[in-house]
Amino acid sequence: DADVTQTPRNRITKTGKRIMLECSQTKGHDRMYWYRQDPGLGLRLIYYSFDVKDINKGEISDGYSVSRQAQAKFSLSLESAIPNQTALYFCATSEPRAGGSDTQYFGPGTRLTVL
Amino acid sequence: DQQVKQNSPSLSVQEGRISILNCDYTNSMFDYFLWYKKYPAEGPTFLISISSIKDKNEDGRFTVFLNKSAKHLSLHIVPSQPGDSAVYFCAAAGGTSYGKLTFGQGTILTVHP
Repeated sequence: DADVTQTPRNRITKTGKRIMLECSQTKGHDRMYWYRQDPGLGLRLIYYSFDVKDINKGEISDGYSVSRQAQAKFSLSLESAIPNQTALYFCATSEPRAGGSDTQYFGPGTRLTVL
Repeated sequence: DQQVKQNSPSLSVQEGRISILNCDYTNSMFDYFLWYKKYPAEGPTFLISISSIKDKNEDGRFTVFLNKSAKHLSLHIVPSQPGDSAVYFCAAAGGTSYGKLTFGQGTILTVHP
């Protein structure tokens, strides 16, 4: 079984709809992250959480919210989806290491299309 | 402001030859660097990393070189294999981005048989 799972894997929705993307992990890591990937832009950080009570904005958090329901679960919501949120979304986890040199482990991704 | 840049969107190499992927960064506080590989329909997977206290790290066919004065790192794959065809991302961490990674745009590597 995969260590980091994401549901759904693909989703097509309409402008204005509320969407939730879910991430679960069995690695036992405290830290979890949400990224989006757009062609030519690499991966950009949306939100991150270093433990269950900690939520932080990344570089592109506008239009998104998150919930850390448990150590193993971190969900991303689009309250009112818009077409420029069409992208690949990745969840990742990591365990803190000395000096902040975490290695992150990624889920398989969710392809979201907003029409 | 793109703090980590991969200026080559794509690279094409013959099987058996060396692949060299490049990455530049601007933030002098970055002190840990990673390379990830991504196949279509999969998430990125960790490949190799290097701390700023080193200038080279090797793992089998993969070697990462770090030139701190030039703020440049490169990934060498020798010999290249068709299965290495993927998107390669470099990432950096350190300073105020403690625990977070800043990614480059990615380079598509194609290894021809």
